[in-house]
Amino acid sequence: GESVGLHLPTLSVQEGDNSIINCAYSNSASDYFIWYKQESGKGPQFIIDIRSNMDKRQGQRVTVLLNKTVKHLSLQIAATQPGDSAVYFCAETPNSGNTPLVFGKGTRLSVIA
Amino acid sequence: GAVVSQHPSWVICKSGTSVKIECRSLDFQATTMFWYRQFPKQSLMLMATSNEGSKATYEQGVEKDKFLINHASLTLSTLTVTSAHPEDSSFYICSASNARGPETQYFGPGTRLLVL
Repeated sequence: GESVGLHLPTLSVQEGDNSIINCAYSNSASDYFIWYKQESGKGPQFIIDIRSNMDKRQGQRVTVLLNKTVKHLSLQIAATQPGDSAVYFCAETPNSGNTPLVFGKGTRLSVIA
Repeated sequence: GAVVSQHPSWVICKSGTSVKIECRSLDFQATTMFWYRQFPKQSLMLMATSNEGSKATYEQGVEKDKFLINHASLTLSTLTVTSAHPEDSSFYICSASNARGPETQYFGPGTRLLVL
């Protein structure tokens, strides 16, 4: 089911430090997960994805970890930069073609220079 | 890469008027388009799923007569907010998919609607 937050949790991180953003999902049938970055006034921007047959996937400066046992997803950003400041959403969907994405409530990342 | 555009990017209208928002896939054919609504400091909420040439499927709680969706071609879907009221003020975002799976769903830049 969908989860909507009325107040976005905020994570403040010093520039250069690593950031970890967490997400809990509810649908055990979800097979595909995506992390999006959304800057103010813009649409979501794809960061990284992972399928349920994996527990870790790495990209450039980002790593996604998936723990299906506890239905938990995390996004790790290495050497956080001011340009990383945004709201980050996880999204999930069953792998059944053109199914809509269900978005998590989001976390605002603020990078302190 | 796949590009999705929305027009207009922002619109201000008077209460009671209708507003049309366009979502276009610029360099691929989108068999399915999704419309989301996002209120300030909240997540994206799916409003409806639109398949080319057929009626849209609306999520529970979304009034189909108020939010008219037309997906007349493989590159264009429109969302019309009829008789808009201040509570309809929101950020409307579309995404388009070329039927190759959820990993090929591409988002537009969003349209901010303000109803006075």
